[in-house]
Amino acid sequence: TQLLEQSPQFLSIQEGENLTVYCNSSSVFSSLQWYRQEPGEGPVLLVTVVTGGEVKKLKRLTFQFGDARKDSSLHITAAQPGDTGLYLCAGVMTSGTYKYIFGTGTRLKVLA
Amino acid sequence: ETGVTQTPRHLVMGMTNKKSLKCEQHLGHNAMYWYKQSAKKPLELMFVYSLEERVENNSVPSRFSPECPNSSHLFLHLHTLQPEDSALYLCASSQVGGTGGNEQFFGPGTRLTVL
Repeated sequence: TQLLEQSPQFLSIQEGENLTVYCNSSSVFSSLQWYRQEPGEGPVLLVTVVTGGEVKKLKRLTFQFGDARKDSSLHITAAQPGDTGLYLCAGVMTSGTYKYIFGTGTRLKVLA
Repeated sequence: ETGVTQTPRHLVMGMTNKKSLKCEQHLGHNAMYWYKQSAKKPLELMFVYSLEERVENNSVPSRFSPECPNSSHLFLHLHTLQPEDSALYLCASSQVGGTGGNEQFFGPGTRLTVL
């Protein structure tokens, strides 16, 4: 069974703090995506990483894909209340049809 | 605005009812998906229609029946559901093939409650 474990599951921090969310699997993925979901809405794509070791930055968010393409991390610098939400990683496999394996999710709350 | 719309946004139904969820994508994509999102569980892929071929998760009960009349519309027909089917049902679309990043675009979801 393919599984993506995310940690931590829940995180409550003060505004201005830094945090890192991890996404780990024993499976190799063609690419890995990070989504953020807010209450009452569907997930919204933040970034796709494709190459092992790749690092992408989106303002205060830094995403890294593991060298072996089995894991990823999301680092947020100086978190703000607007970063509050559910963060989901999704591994993409492209053997035959496209297959998306979603992680267990990290619920982040940033307090003002 | 994600380009993927879902109706209704909320649905309450009894176990003997029959209802349908509707999804429409305005992005010109060639694949559409149904996901189930329950509390404390990963997003569960239920059905995929990709390039007019249906791929399904064999663990999905037969009381859920998908229909994809064209590449822009997707339905999920529901009948004799159970209370444990209460969840957020998300529709998504993507472009399979080409130079895209296999990005999925999600609708806002239908919050389903089965009494």
